[in-house]
Amino acid sequence: KAGVTQTPRYLIKTRGQQVTLSCSPISGHRSVSWYQQTPGQGLQFLFEYFSETQRNKGNFPGRFSGRQFSNSRSEMNVSTLELGDSALYLCASSGWLMNTEAFFGQGTRLTVV
Amino acid sequence: GENVEQHPSTLSVQEGDSAVIKCTYSDSASNYFPWYKQELGKGPQLIIDIRSNVGEKKDQRIAVTLNKTAKHFSLHITETQPEDSAVYFCAASKGNNFNKFYFGSGTKLNVKP
Repeated sequence: KAGVTQTPRYLIKTRGQQVTLSCSPISGHRSVSWYQQTPGQGLQFLFEYFSETQRNKGNFPGRFSGRQFSNSRSEMNVSTLELGDSALYLCASSGWLMNTEAFFGQGTRLTVV
Repeated sequence: GENVEQHPSTLSVQEGDSAVIKCTYSDSASNYFPWYKQELGKGPQLIIDIRSNVGEKKDQRIAVTLNKTAKHFSLHITETQPEDSAVYFCAASKGNNFNKFYFGSGTKLNVKP
C-alpha cells in the first residue's frame, strides 16, 4: 500500500510570490490534514479536509488556503509569501473515522528568499 | 485550546539502556495520544498510540502509559539501539476535533553505541 505522497519535495520561492503544494493520501483515506513545521514553533496545525470540505482550521492568516478534490488529493496554497513562511509543510492522511491514526508524508521543504 | 508539554528536549543514552519521554496535556477532553518518530529529512512516523480508555500499550520494545487523572503520558523505549536515534513527538487530540493534533515540542534522542 503506497504511503502519503507530497510534491514537490523542495521549493525555493521569492518573497511576494505564491506557491501550491500537493498531497496524495493513502488509498481509501478521505481525511487530509496539513501542518507547518519550523524549529521555533514546532508542528502547527493548518487545516483539515474531509470529502472536499474543510472541517477544521488552525490559527494561520488567510494567505494560507487549501482544497480537496473528489479523489481525496489535497492542495494547499500560500499567497504573498513572507520570509517567515519558510518551513517544512507536512500532510497527514487519516481514515474516515474521526480521531484515528494519522500518517504523514515526507513533507515539502519551502524556502522563501 | 490544548497545550502539550514534552520533556526532556534532548536525551542521550547508552545502547541497551532504556529511554523515557514524558508529556503532559491540559485539556481533559483529549482522548487520543499518538507518538511519532522523525528522522532527519523525513516526515513523522507513527510508532505507537493510546486511547483514553487504556492505561498502557506495548509493542515490542516500545510502550506508552497514560495517566488520565494527572493528564500525562509517557513513551518508554527499552534496549535502545543506535537506529532509535531520532526526534520523538507526542501529540494529543479529541474526538470532536476532526483529526486536529496538538504536538509537543519534541525530544531529540541520541543512542550512543
